[in-house]
Formats: sequence, structure tokens, C-alpha cells
Amino acid sequence: QQQVKQSPQSLIVQKGGIPIINCAYENTAFDYFPWYQQFPGKGPALLIAIRPDVSEKKEGRFTISFNKSAKQFSLHIMDSQPGDSATYFCAASNSGGSNYKLTFGKGTLLTVNP
Amino acid sequence: DAGVIQSPRHEVTEMGQEVTLRCKPISGHDYLFWYRQTMMRGLELLIYFNNNVPIDDSGMPEDRFSAKMPNASFSTLKIQPSEPRDSAVYFCASSLAGSPIGGNTIYFGEGSWLTVV
Repeated sequence: QQQVKQSPQSLIVQKGGIPIINCAYENTAFDYFPWYQQFPGKGPALLIAIRPDVSEKKEGRFTISFNKSAKQFSLHIMDSQPGDSATYFCAASNSGGSNYKLTFGKGTLLTVNP
Repeated sequence: DAGVIQSPRHEVTEMGQEVTLRCKPISGHDYLFWYRQTMMRGLELLIYFNNNVPIDDSGMPEDRFSAKMPNASFSTLKIQPSEPRDSAVYFCASSLAGSPIGGNTIYFGEGSWLTVV
């Protein structure tokens, strides 16, 4: 029940395209959904995050869409650039209780061609 | 701030040897996390500390793994004896508070790339 399923595993788009990465979760207690960006040889870095009380959050070219009833959320990258080429991880956690854990999806390798 | 600092960045060791990975969290952060990343299993939380005290070690795969945090600025993850299946990237991360709610971001180090042959 702690699983977060992410798709696709890899994605190739042309510069200016809008890649979409999807995640689904099972645990209804999850109430925080961040996306992390990881460049080769680096650690993951927080990109954007959403709580389930809103259906969409936008920061710059990055947008999270959240569907609570379907238990799904997705990352959209507008006007994608070659510099956005990285691995993207969705994650989820339950902020309640005394035990804190981030459960990560398996990641999506995004390639943006010039 | 220099961020989360991990050492060594790369280590190749023979099966059966002891491996010690080190981490210096961001100054002032009171939560420290150890994650392992593999192609098969993705990012897994191994253990986390609050104010130097281990809070949850349920992700530690076996007794061969141990972690300590003797003070607020240093933590170690030890594998003894190491096995080829331990080959992975081990990340240390820290945050100002355990929950990311309210903007308390988890900051990751650049990882220690371990290869056990």
C-alpha cells in the first residue's frame, strides 16, 4: 500500500514539447506529493510539490495536476528545453503521525532534443 | 552553505570487506536520512535520524547494515561484510524538520557510488 507507480520509464521530446509524467498511489493517507529532478551524478533536488487540497500547482514552466479521486498526479513541463533533460521522480508521504517517509516512484528519464 | 557533503564519492571494494560511508548534513538541520538508489528498486529510505537519534530503521536491509550519528554534523553508514548486491548509490539527505509540509525541503547530497566486486 506504500507503492507509488510512475510512468513512463523514459520519454523523448523535441525542444518546445510538453512532456507529461504520471504517477499513481494507493495509500489514501498520503497528503504530500513532491517531484524531484535528478541530473547525472547528482542527488535528487526538489522541483515542485502539491497538497491534495488543490488540483493544480504551477511554478514557472512546471505544473503538477492532481486528481484525488483517481489517486493520480502528473508533472507537465511547458516549453521543454534540452537543459530539462534529467530523471524525474514523483514521491508521496503522510505528514500525519510521528513517522515520516517519502515513498518514491521508480523515475522517468526525460530527454529533450534540441 | 556547502550542502550535504558525502564521502567517498566513489568506492570499489571486494566482497567481504567493510564499507563506511560518511555524511555531513547541512548545518542546523535536525533530520538526517540515508537512501539507497538502484535501477531495480529506485530510491529507498534506509534509516533516518532526528537530533542524532535513529527514529526509523525499518528500511535497513539486513544486519550487515548499520548507521550511526554521533553528533549533529556527522553520520556514517556501514556495511560489514559487503556483498555484490549492495552495489548502489547511497544518498544522505537532511532537512530542517522531518515533514516536508510547510516548505521544509529535504536536501540530498551527491551520493556515494559503491561497487562491490
